Amino acid sequence: KAGVTQTPRYLIKTRGQQVTLSCSPISGHRSVSWYQQTPGQGLQFLFEYFSETQRNKGNFPGRFSGRQFSNSRSEMNVSTLELGDSALYLCASSRGGQMNEQFFGPGTRLTVL
Amino acid sequence: AQSVTQPDIHITVSEGASLELRCNYSYGATPYLFWYVQSPGQGLQLLLKYFSGDTLVQGIKGFEAEFKRSQSSFNLRKPSVHWSDAAEYFCAVGVRVTSYDKVIFGPGTSLSVIP
Repeated sequence: KAGVTQTPRYLIKTRGQQVTLSCSPISGHRSVSWYQQTPGQGLQFLFEYFSETQRNKGNFPGRFSGRQFSNSRSEMNVSTLELGDSALYLCASSRGGQMNEQFFGPGTRLTVL
Repeated sequence: AQSVTQPDIHITVSEGASLELRCNYSYGATPYLFWYVQSPGQGLQLLLKYFSGDTLVQGIKGFEAEFKRSQSSFNLRKPSVHWSDAAEYFCAVGVRVTSYDKVIFGPGTSLSVIP
């Protein structure tokens, strides 16, 4: 079966702009989690959505937001981009939540100039 | 607070040698424990997990891990490393926070394999 897909794979933005990243989970998976990965901070949890509801949230500012649609596809949005937002953003899907096996997408590499 | 430490930032081993990657966690209750691997340019893949029962857990790609409650450790092992094992390895702990579950990842250990 198809894996987790993320689009776009690469993005270059400038400070102050906003960006929307997309994630399509594995069919049948209702949980989608987002992570930010940087060399200095490692893997940081952003938020988790389950059946269109945000179930869980990490310690990120309100500039980071997300949503999930009825088909379980998810988007995350970052407004007013800062240089420090440059990172690999990973999406993971699972059947019931993070305690179940999470299947990760290849990520979106965001560069903020 | 819950946390995961991986003492080794980077490890280099020769192909065919044995491997042990260390992981320690801090959590008051019985944890759910995971090992994930990230190959270059790819997302993470689950190697194995421990929820309860036998403390020696077998995973994919010939990996195993042992849960030691007294040491708060969940070390990953492989008897003979292959060049394709070169990757970043993440230990993670699953915790229950009020009404929901959360997985906390360690900082990762980068593995290089010498042919």
